[in-house]
Amino acid sequence: KAGVTQTPRYLIKTRGQQVTLSCSPISGHRSVSWYQQTPGQGLQFLFEYFSETQRNKGNFPGRFSGRQFSNSRSEMNVSTLELGDSALYLCASSFGQGPGGTQYFGPGTRLLVL
Amino acid sequence: TQLLEQSPQFLSIQEGENLTVYCNSSSVFSSLQWYRQEPGEGPVLLVTVVTGGEVKKLKRLTFQFGDARKDSSLHITAAQPGDTGLYLCAGTNFGNEKLTFGTGTRLTIIP
Repeated sequence: KAGVTQTPRYLIKTRGQQVTLSCSPISGHRSVSWYQQTPGQGLQFLFEYFSETQRNKGNFPGRFSGRQFSNSRSEMNVSTLELGDSALYLCASSFGQGPGGTQYFGPGTRLLVL
Repeated sequence: TQLLEQSPQFLSIQEGENLTVYCNSSSVFSSLQWYRQEPGEGPVLLVTVVTGGEVKKLKRLTFQFGDARKDSSLHITAAQPGDTGLYLCAGTNFGNEKLTFGTGTRLTIIP
């Protein structure tokens, strides 16, 4: 069974631009969560989607948004990029049937904002 | 805001030694998970503990969940270079898929 895939793997943008990252979950998984990982703040939860609906949201500004499609694939968008948005963005998928279930992480998209 | 503090932040030991990593919080979690992350990859789940006082063993790794479900520890026996990586604990809340990650412990095993 294929794992979680994320595209692109690396991205360089400049301040003020916007970016869209993509995540394809493991086949059969309906929940997709997004996390931001930085050296200073560690891994922080952005949001979770289940069956095309946002089910949970972390404490990030409205510049960070996401969506999920009917095939469970998910995208996250960051508008008006800031230098501090440079990070590894990870997505994780699970069956989503309940809390504590195993989440499988993708390799991440490394975003550099110049 | 729930916080998970891990200690130590960095640990560098010789191959064959034993070590313990701690994950502490003032909040109660419904379950706690341990992950290992290697450079250029996402975290990989090692274990999930759900019952207060639970102990799980995975070869040379022993995981314990505190009785009050607020803390956990990871003990590695006879560490090997392949154990090198970033170890992360993460807690889940009742009725919620969201993972709250710990601050991380970067472990280096010297051959």
